[in-house]
Amino acid sequence: GQQVMQIPQYQHVQEGEDFTTYCNSSTTLSNIQWYKQRPGGHPVFLIQLVKSGEVKKQKRLTFQFGEAKKNSSLHITATQTTDVGTYFCAGTGNNRKLIWGLGTSLAVNP
Amino acid sequence: GAVVSQHPSRVICKSGTSVKIECRSLDFQATTMFWYRQFPKQSLMLMATSNEGSKATYEQGVEKDKFLINHASLTLSTLTVTSAHPEDSSFYICSASQGVTGIVWNTEAFFGQGTRLTVV
Repeated sequence: GQQVMQIPQYQHVQEGEDFTTYCNSSTTLSNIQWYKQRPGGHPVFLIQLVKSGEVKKQKRLTFQFGEAKKNSSLHITATQTTDVGTYFCAGTGNNRKLIWGLGTSLAVNP
Repeated sequence: GAVVSQHPSRVICKSGTSVKIECRSLDFQATTMFWYRQFPKQSLMLMATSNEGSKATYEQGVEKDKFLINHASLTLSTLTVTSAHPEDSSFYICSASQGVTGIVWNTEAFFGQGTRLTVV
């Protein structure tokens, strides 16, 4: 079946360093969404990418959707302690179901 | 963004009893609601998808007689964990999508706050 692989599983950075998480799908996706889950909280929608090659920015966060619509990345510039949490990607497959990546847990040392 | 309310946020129950969890979309009509289970430090595991007015579609390995899902209206879905056992202890999260709006299939998911179930 369709799968979305997300790497790395964990990332530990020093405050101020950059961070990137990557998602790769086995098949072409209609769109890809990114969510953030703070420790003890529920996933919160960050953004959706729909177009091939699309790049969107939210302050220090940059989201990219690959040309083939099979991969995506989230890059955080100059991390802060408030960025701590697990970042999930979720792609809409050809059966219109959301397929979740396993998430990348980010820890930031102050 | 849209608001999804999930209740209760925490519940402790005795082994063998049943627990009902409610998921409500407060400011939009949710054509589709999803129920997830999440183990500590792991991703979301989709349990079932429910569409208003029809039977839920369960994922492989999820017992439909144990996890009863009802989606009676466009704003309410319930998950009942029947005859709960300690291994059912987990974090259960619902999410809701608007589904088709016009010709666009909107899969953006709005999540409830989650329910921490502990079975003793």
